[in-house]
This record gives sequence, structure tokens and C-alpha cells, in this order.
Amino acid sequence: AQKITQTQPGMFVQEKEAVTLDCTYDTSDQSYGLFWYKQPSSGEMIFLIYQGSYDEQNATEGRYSLNFQKARKSANLVISASQLGDSAMYFCAMRLSAGGTSYGKLTFGQGTILTVHP
Amino acid sequence: GAGVSQSPSNKVTEKGKDVELRCDPISGHTALYWYRQSLGQGLEFLIYFQGNSAPDKSGLPSDRFSAERTGGSVSTLTIQRTQQEDSAVYLCASSLSRSAEKLFFGSGTQLSVL
Repeated sequence: AQKITQTQPGMFVQEKEAVTLDCTYDTSDQSYGLFWYKQPSSGEMIFLIYQGSYDEQNATEGRYSLNFQKARKSANLVISASQLGDSAMYFCAMRLSAGGTSYGKLTFGQGTILTVHP
Repeated sequence: GAGVSQSPSNKVTEKGKDVELRCDPISGHTALYWYRQSLGQGLEFLIYFQGNSAPDKSGLPSDRFSAERTGGSVSTLTIQRTQQEDSAVYLCASSLSRSAEKLFFGSGTQLSVL
């Protein structure tokens, strides 16, 4: 079974500073994808970034980058130049990419609440 | 619209009643997911449909919960004999396929069981 762990229930960051949100995962499969979603207070789930297990380079999307360390099974999200609008809940998730009964199912961590201070 | 549509956005029901929640995925998306999010909690997987394959029902919490997907498009999640612990936000998501990079989420149905 797959498991996603986010050990930071809450994080605080000063506006314009960078922040790292931690995510570790556990799977015995070799082919999988890692996701980060943002959930503002409005409740919508917003896709931020994706990293495939065979991708050699860390994924980047604008101010978001994913620090992928496969040997350590970690997929931390780095937000650069934080903005007030970044205040939200952030979820890390994983999905197997090939075969098996769990293929396709997305497993989420418990989330980290990020608060950006002015 | 181009996004995943869920209805109703809010549902208040009495304990013991049945409820139906609807999800309209993005056109052409073959994979459809239902998740449940309780207050301040993460997302709990409920059920997943992929094309014409048998759905993965491994996340359904009890036999009071069922879901169907008609014609590979619209999905309905049914909760029979609702209980107070069923109160949560029920989120639907779809993706082009089960290996697609992006899941697109609907805005959810807030279910309150009194």
C-alpha cells in the first residue's frame, strides 16, 4: 500500500521569502507520480506541480519547484518569493503509474497549512 | 463549462435519509474519482472509475455507500440511511486517463447530516 506523510501541520513564512513544505512517501513500486495541490479557504483543489518517478530533473512550475529525492523517498515543495495569496492548505499526493490494483488511485497526505505574513 | 461540475453544492439532510451526489467530469476524461474530506482533514479516497473497467471500490467506508458511472460520463454517489459521521465535503475529480498528470477537481458537495 502507498502512504504519504506530511509532518508539518502548519508553516509560517514572511512575504517574499521562500518556504519548503515536506512530503515523504512509501511505496514498493518503481513507477509512480507525485503531485502537489493547493486548497485555499474557498475549498477548490488547485493542481500545482507533478513529478514522475523516472523524471531526471526536478519539476518546476513558475514559483513552485519540487525537490525530488528518490533514494530518500521525499518530494518537498518549494515556493519561492511567497505571496499573501499563497496562504492555503497544501496536499502532497502519489499515484502509481503502471499495473497493480492501485493503478490510477491518488493517495493524499494530511496536508500542511501555510500562512504567509506581510 | 469546461471544468468538473458537482451538484448540489450544499446538501442538508436528516439522519436516516438517502442522498445522491452528482458529478459531471470534463468531457473526454476517462478516469473519475470520488474523495471525501472531513473538516480539517485530508482527502479520503472512496471510489475510482476508469473507462469500462470495474471500479475500484476499496475506499467505500460501508455498504451504505455506492456509486455508478453511466455511459462513461456522469457519476452519482449514493449514501443510504445517512449518519452524522457522513457529514463532509465530497469531492469529485477527473483526468484524461489514469496515468494523466493532472486531476481536475470539482468544487465539491458539502453534506450536512442533522
